[in-house]
Amino acid sequence: EVQLLESGGGLVLSGGSLRLSCAASGFSFSTYAMNWVRQAPGKGLEWVASVSGTGVTTYYADSVKGRFTISRDNSKNTLYLQMNSLKTEDTALYYCVKGGYCSGGSCYWGASWLDPWGQGTLVTVSS
Amino acid sequence: QSVLTQPPSVSAAPGQKVTISCSGSSSNIGNNYVSWYQQFPGTAPKVLIYENNKRPSGIPDRFSGSRSGTSATLGITGLQTGDEADYYCGTWDSSLSAWVFGGGTKVTAL
Repeated sequence: EVQLLESGGGLVLSGGSLRLSCAASGFSFSTYAMNWVRQAPGKGLEWVASVSGTGVTTYYADSVKGRFTISRDNSKNTLYLQMNSLKTEDTALYYCVKGGYCSGGSCYWGASWLDPWGQGTLVTVSS
Repeated sequence: QSVLTQPPSVSAAPGQKVTISCSGSSSNIGNNYVSWYQQFPGTAPKVLIYENNKRPSGIPDRFSGSRSGTSATLGITGLQTGDEADYYCGTWDSSLSAWVFGGGTKVTAL
């Protein structure tokens, strides 16, 4: 069974930093793209960042570009999200999500879906 | 403002059919697979439809998906009170190099 377990959320002051982790199990971690998707209280889903299976290719939402860094350690089956210069608008539940298949350094970004989703870790940024 | 456009809410009597539209563009829905996600309050989203019209194991055939041009549709037949949830469409946008979602549609069984 595929499992994703996020950790690292918490309360932080505006301008502060947090690092989220996501421990993956039940699948060949290095052959799948991984993603972070967030959901502010009472709002819809917002994609945050994606990383290829090798970790070489990364993509970011404009709202976090330059402040957040997605990375992965395939030897530990773990996904990370380093969040710096946090703003109050970053307050949300952050989900770790398994993405599409990757092979030979390329991922099938457009031919994929997001499944499964972790249970989420809450990040609260206070002013 | 979401890249994909969904109605905020739809409703129908139990047993009836509802459809949820998702409108995009050639850089997303028009050239990439669409997936649909179901989310109950306080829980993580779950994939309901992938590759435009495929259902994962365990998803009843009351749920269906389709894509035409730059739009996609989720259909729910035989609506049940247990289907009351938020539904999101999602796809990869090749121009943005980003996952994009609709704003979500709340389904209510009247």
